[in-house]
This record gives sequence, structure tokens and C-alpha cells, in this order.
Amino acid sequence: DVKVTQSSRYLVKRTGEKVFLECVQDMDHENMFWYRQDPGLGLRLIYFSYDVKMKEKGDIPEGYSVSREKKERFSLILESASTNQTSMYLCASSSASGQGSYGYTFGSGTRLTVV
Amino acid sequence: QKEVEQNSGPLSVPEGAIASLNCTYSDRGSQSFFWYRQYSGKSPELIMFIYSNGDKEDGRFTAQLNKASQYVSLLIRDSQPSDSATYLCAAIQGAQKLVFGQGTRLTINP
Repeated sequence: DVKVTQSSRYLVKRTGEKVFLECVQDMDHENMFWYRQDPGLGLRLIYFSYDVKMKEKGDIPEGYSVSREKKERFSLILESASTNQTSMYLCASSSASGQGSYGYTFGSGTRLTVV
Repeated sequence: QKEVEQNSGPLSVPEGAIASLNCTYSDRGSQSFFWYRQYSGKSPELIMFIYSNGDKEDGRFTAQLNKASQYVSLLIRDSQPSDSATYLCAAIQGAQKLVFGQGTRLTINP
């Protein structure tokens, strides 16, 4: 009954590596989002997408990029991982119908550690 | 001023009592509001949404919205130890983007 799937639960990468975080949803949602969550800072929006091949910067896009080639898949890319990107990464999706009336559905999260 | 503000707590409530969580928002254009519960190490899960002034009840949970005061609250009746979690308030910004508060950590004491 999993609806938003993130490819990895835990990930350890080295500084300078290119990192891909994958997110797939099976609810036919138009909107997809990437957040990071850090203690004391709450959820911060990195990038979002309202449609295939479309992306919008969130509040903290620096050091990240995204790709949405198919409706169900939204990938977050860390071009050159740094230790300050160690965090919990959360993917979410939502339907475009209504004013977000059903909110987001979150994936289980990826805890990324950059060493 | 943050767009969505919550008291970070921690809020401690005895088992069986009513837990009251509060949230204010700055964008008067926001129309829909959400409460998420997040257990430690887990992702947020939606427990309530509200878009009309007044109260909305679902089991032990009641969401309250006052648009004039730009205030949203969540009441949890008959609090249980399993309600211990961080509660996130969120408001719609623009067409579809949610803005989250910092979250309130709630502890229910047996």
C-alpha cells in the first residue's frame, strides 16, 4: 500500500560525489516536492514540480538540481555532495485538483550522510 | 516574521487530558491548512485539514480555524502516549505549495 517511494532509507556518500535521490509515486499526482529536514530548522523546500519536465526553485535550491522526465518520478541531484548536505530528505506529492485540499503524501525519507 | 509559526515546545500533557496545539500564519491569502504528525525518525503523516472557519472534528482530533485572527489550532482529546510526536502545522501558499511551521513536540505522560 506504499504510495510515495524513496529509493533509499539510508545513504552514506563521500564529499564531492554526485548523488541521486529517487522518488516515485503511484497516485498519478501532478505535483511533486523535495524537502530537507534538519533539527531546529524544520522542513525546507528545495525544489518542486507541477508537471513533467517542469521545475521550480524552492527556498534552498543551491547545490541541488532536479529532474522530472516522467509524471511519477522526481529525482533530486546533489551535484557535488558536501558535509552541510547531511540531512533527512523527504519527497512528497499532491494532486493539483482543489487547492491542495488533500495535502501532501510523504515518502518515508532518505537519511543522507556525507563524509 | 515566519509565514507559519508554532510554539516549538516541548508540550507535556498528562494521559487522558486535552492537548492543545497552536499555529499562526501571516499570509491572509492562505485558504487551506493542514496538521501533520511526525514520529521520531519517520516522515510526516496527514491527520487533519481545514479550510472553513470554525471547527472540524475527526475522532479524538479537532481542528479549529479563525481566519480573522489568522490562527489554527489542533485539539487532541483523551490524549494517549501514542500521541507523543511532533505536530506540524502547514498552510497553502500560492496554488499548491505547503509552507510548514517548525513543529511542536508533544509528550503525553502516562
